[in-house]
Amino acid sequence: SQTIHQWPATLVQPVGSPLSLECTVEGTSNPNLYWYRQAAGRGLQLLFYSVGIGQISSEVPQNLSASRPQDRQFILSSKKLLLSDSGFYLCAWSVQGLLSNEQFFGPGTRLTVL
Amino acid sequence: QKEVEQNSGPLSVPEGAIASLNCTYSDRGSQSFFWYRQYSGKSPELIMFIYSNGDKEDGRFTAQLNKASQYVSLLIRDSQPSDSATYLCAVGADRGSTLGRLYFGRGTQLTVWP
Repeated sequence: SQTIHQWPATLVQPVGSPLSLECTVEGTSNPNLYWYRQAAGRGLQLLFYSVGIGQISSEVPQNLSASRPQDRQFILSSKKLLLSDSGFYLCAWSVQGLLSNEQFFGPGTRLTVL
Repeated sequence: QKEVEQNSGPLSVPEGAIASLNCTYSDRGSQSFFWYRQYSGKSPELIMFIYSNGDKEDGRFTAQLNKASQYVSLLIRDSQPSDSATYLCAVGADRGSTLGRLYFGRGTQLTVWP
């Protein structure tokens, strides 16, 4: 069966510090991978998605970036965090293919920027 | 911009009642529809998906889809306090370069009281 991991689970960082969040998927090959942010009282905002190694699509301009160095690894980064970067960061995966849109979420990372 | 609208709630029903959650979407070409349940502080969990017009039943859950009206709903029969959560409606982008991504509503908060 497939499993998705995220770490760390929680993170408190000062404004202006760097960020690196990691997501890995087990039990599947060549998945689509996604990074979402869920701010307090708001919906899920898609940040990045990837259909393969080194292939990243960005949904919104921001100070975040994503990388996919391996097939089942997805990393979210920032050089300098802003207060507005606080939120619940969720990684998700789906099987590639037509109408295979079911996305499965990891446990998430709760980020607080002070 | 693809829109997915849900009743913001909160929706409150007594234990044993039927809870009805509604969702409308703007993209007439959408072909896949999903319901996620999100407990407070946790990540979303996929509970139902539906691709064809009509009803789809899974235990106490029934998803209903009407593509002509661009409307999808989730019925929860014999509601239990453990069903208390936020329910997210998601619609698949099934055309063009956005194939594989989902558009999420903001969610409806459901409370089932004993």
